Amino acid sequence: GNSVTQMEGPVTLSEEAFLTINCTYTATGYPSLFWYVQYPGEGLQLLLKATKADDKGSNKGFEATYRKETTSFHLEKGSVQVSDSAVYFCALITGFQKLVFGTGTRLLVSP
Amino acid sequence: SQTIHQWPATLVQPVGSPLSLECTVEGTSNPNLYWYRQAAGRGLQLLFYSVGIGQISSEVPQNLSASRPQDRQFILSSKKLLLSDSGFYLCAWTDSPSRDRGFGYTFGSGTRLTVV
Repeated sequence: GNSVTQMEGPVTLSEEAFLTINCTYTATGYPSLFWYVQYPGEGLQLLLKATKADDKGSNKGFEATYRKETTSFHLEKGSVQVSDSAVYFCALITGFQKLVFGTGTRLLVSP
Repeated sequence: SQTIHQWPATLVQPVGSPLSLECTVEGTSNPNLYWYRQAAGRGLQLLFYSVGIGQISSEVPQNLSASRPQDRQFILSSKKLLLSDSGFYLCAWTDSPSRDRGFGYTFGSGTRLTVV
């Protein structure tokens, strides 16, 4: 079946540090891949997406590249801010239109 | 524009009491609708989804049920809540234009349910 595996959190960084949150997936067919972000007390917001191999999704300084050969979609940001503190979910969707999430990774950024 | 409304935002209910959470979508027709639950320390679990009025698919056997009485209304219910029903419930939708643009789902702001 389809599944998404994310690195365990929390990830604790100082402001302006480099961020990587690992995500790998297992899927039949050719999924679209997403990163969602959940700020404290809120629902989920789409952060970025990639719909085919080698696509790079980017938004708000975050980037992730769809790597079919390694079945990965790692999230990166060159310089994190305190306001980036949130829970980040990697997810995939296939032709059956059911979004499958990873367990989420909490990011804590200190000043 | 398309929006999704979910209420209430927070709810504290005693064990054994009934539950009704409502979700409505505006600005689209015939959306796919979804209920997810996020339990403490865990990821997001798909509970139910619906591709049309009166059509409900259940992903996980449990104490909950869902109904879709109108095209853009999705209701999550329980006759008797359990302690294990506590969590953060999220409604989401998608439609063909959203999928064509690769937008995935749009989520509501969630309901935090505490069963005491």
